[in-house]
Amino acid sequence: DVKVTQSSRYLVKRTGEKVFLECVQDMDHENMFWYRQDPGLGLRLIYFSYDVKMKEKGDIPEGYSVSREKKERFSLILESASTNQTSMYLCASTPFGTGKTQYFGPGTRLLVL
Amino acid sequence: KQEVTQIPAALSVPEGENLVLNCSFTDSAIYNLQWFRQDPGKGLTSLLLIQSSQREQTSGRLNASLDKSSGRSTLYIAASQPGDSATYLCAVLNTGGFKTIFGAGTRLFVKA
Repeated sequence: DVKVTQSSRYLVKRTGEKVFLECVQDMDHENMFWYRQDPGLGLRLIYFSYDVKMKEKGDIPEGYSVSREKKERFSLILESASTNQTSMYLCASTPFGTGKTQYFGPGTRLLVL
Repeated sequence: KQEVTQIPAALSVPEGENLVLNCSFTDSAIYNLQWFRQDPGKGLTSLLLIQSSQREQTSGRLNASLDKSSGRSTLYIAASQPGDSATYLCAVLNTGGFKTIFGAGTRLFVKA
């Protein structure tokens, strides 16, 4: 079974803090994604990575950066957290090739005070 | 720009009822459509994936249909159970794209 894990289930941070969210998958998937999920808005893509050190901006990359130094690990970084970044963050991975099933992690619920 | 809509946003049914969840999308040039389940505070679990050349997929009590020309998909749940209570999300992958576009989901409550 594919397993996607996220470093924290819940996080509380203060405005201006630098925040790291980590995602690890154990199935050698090439593609990894970071989404945020807000009520009524569904999932919105923040960043996508199709290989180590490769990244593409999604729909809402402002205020975020990512790092993929190893194939299994994809990190989302909030350089200076703001209250409007309070959200549920979901990581997903898929194998190489288009149209594959996405496997999701359990999510990190981030509260920025 | 592809938009995915799910109506209603929430639905409550008695146990045992057969039900249909609806998903519509604005651009018919899709590669595939996927239905996910999300339990409160959890990640998403893939239920069914329908390729653009397919009309339906079945898994147990679940059946998903796809009508590309009308921009619609339905998820049929037979003999609903309280354990089916969750949010169901529909997502489409456009042809030639790498981004999956998600609907906002339908929250389903099945009452015992």
